[in-house]
Amino acid sequence: NTKITQSPRYLILGRANKSLECEQHLGHNAMYWYKQSAEKPPELMFLYNLKQLIRNETVPSRFIPECPDSSKLLLHISAVDPEDSAVYFCASSQANWGANTGQLYFGEGSKLTVL
Amino acid sequence: QQKVQQSPESLIVPEGGMASLNCTSSDRNVDYFWWYRQHSGKSPKMLMSIFSNGEKEEGRFTVHLNKASLHTSLHIRDSQPSDSALYLCAASNNRIFFGDGTQLVVKP
Repeated sequence: NTKITQSPRYLILGRANKSLECEQHLGHNAMYWYKQSAEKPPELMFLYNLKQLIRNETVPSRFIPECPDSSKLLLHISAVDPEDSAVYFCASSQANWGANTGQLYFGEGSKLTVL
Repeated sequence: QQKVQQSPESLIVPEGGMASLNCTSSDRNVDYFWWYRQHSGKSPKMLMSIFSNGEKEEGRFTVHLNKASLHTSLHIRDSQPSDSALYLCAASNNRIFFGDGTQLVVKP
């Protein structure tokens, strides 16, 4: 799937700062960050619709999303914790505020390992 | 409270057999149901969707939906080892809710 690209694909960190990047080439309005820990389903972290943060789920404040334009999404992580070890998926959908979300298209994920 | 419940948690079927997966939403506001498949180490990909009461078939895969009970089921006939994956049910209105998934193993 090259229509949603994520980078880096793998990263190993101590208590450092890092940013994950995502870009979608589908012309979608909505972009999402999901966290998937081992043996669990994806959990929604953040949702942007037309560059506006719609919902900010109860995630630790060390995670800060940024949407520089409607096709790009960043996730800044500061002072990572071992519980942050997971795969972080970017996703997008053709959604308008108040309407159904539509099908989600996922990127290949960024696997974060915290030492 | 989990808005989407899936059963069983895990399922083992022999190659060529039928796999049946269930999903129910507790949120009466949802109006779309989705089935996503996630192979190990890969991202989830939408497999089938259903919005209306009844049944929808695509190849070996059939989904049913009962909107009154908010219950959907996915049936895979002639299961293949390549069908082994985590199957995620999702329900949506203006946001999407995932269930915990059913881990399907198809044994050769």
